[in-house]
Amino acid sequence: ETGVTQSPTHLIKTRGQQVTLRCSSQSGHNTVSWYQQALGQGPQFIFQYYREEENGRGNFPPRFSGLQFPNYSSELNVNALELDDSALYLCASSGDPSRETQYFGPGTRLLVL
Amino acid sequence: AQSVTQLDSQVPVFEEAPVELRCNYSSSVSVYLFWYVQYPNQGLQLLLKYLSGSTLVKGINGFEAEFNKSQTSFHLRKPSVHISDTAEYFCAVGMDSNYQLIWGAGTKLIIKP
Repeated sequence: ETGVTQSPTHLIKTRGQQVTLRCSSQSGHNTVSWYQQALGQGPQFIFQYYREEENGRGNFPPRFSGLQFPNYSSELNVNALELDDSALYLCASSGDPSRETQYFGPGTRLLVL
Repeated sequence: AQSVTQLDSQVPVFEEAPVELRCNYSSSVSVYLFWYVQYPNQGLQLLLKYLSGSTLVKGINGFEAEFNKSQTSFHLRKPSVHISDTAEYFCAVGMDSNYQLIWGAGTKLIIKP
C-alpha cells in the first residue's frame, strides 16, 4: 500500500509568481485535504476535495485553488504569491468525508522571496 | 467558532519520567479528536484518536489520552518518555458538521537526558 506522496519537497518562488503543488492520495482514498502550516504554528485547513468536487473551504482567499483528478490525486494552486505564503503545505488523504483518520504526506516547503 | 488550545508551547521532561501534554477545545457540536506527532522535517503521524465510546484511548508508542467532555479536554499522557519521543505534538478536533480538522498550535516535547 502506497502512502501519501507530495511533490516537490521544496520550492523557492518570488512574490507575484504562481505555484502548483501536487499530492497523490493513499490507495483506496477518495478525499484529499490541504493544509498550510506556517513556522511554529499548527496546520490551517485550506480546502478539501471529495470525488473531484470541493467539499469545504477554510478562510483562504480565492487565489488559493485546487483540483482533484479521477485517480483522486490533487493539486493546490496559489496565484500572486505573497511573502506570507511561505509555509509547509500538507496534503492528507482519507476515505469518504467522515470521522476517518487523515493520513498526511511529508509536505512541500514553499519559500516566497 | 470552534478552537483548540494547547496550553504549553514546550514541555521539558527528563528521560523515563511521565509526561502530560494538555489540549482543550471549544465546540458547540459533537466532536471527535486526534493527537498527531510531527518529527523534525517530516509530515504528521497519527498517535491516537477518539471517535466515541470509551473515553480512554490508547495509541502507538505507549501514549494514551482521555476525553473529558465536561472539561472539554483531551490530554495526552505517557508514563515513561524516551529520547525518541522528542517531537512536536498536535491536537486536532473534527466536527460532524463539516469534517474539517481544527488544530492546536502544537507542543514541543523536549527530553532531557
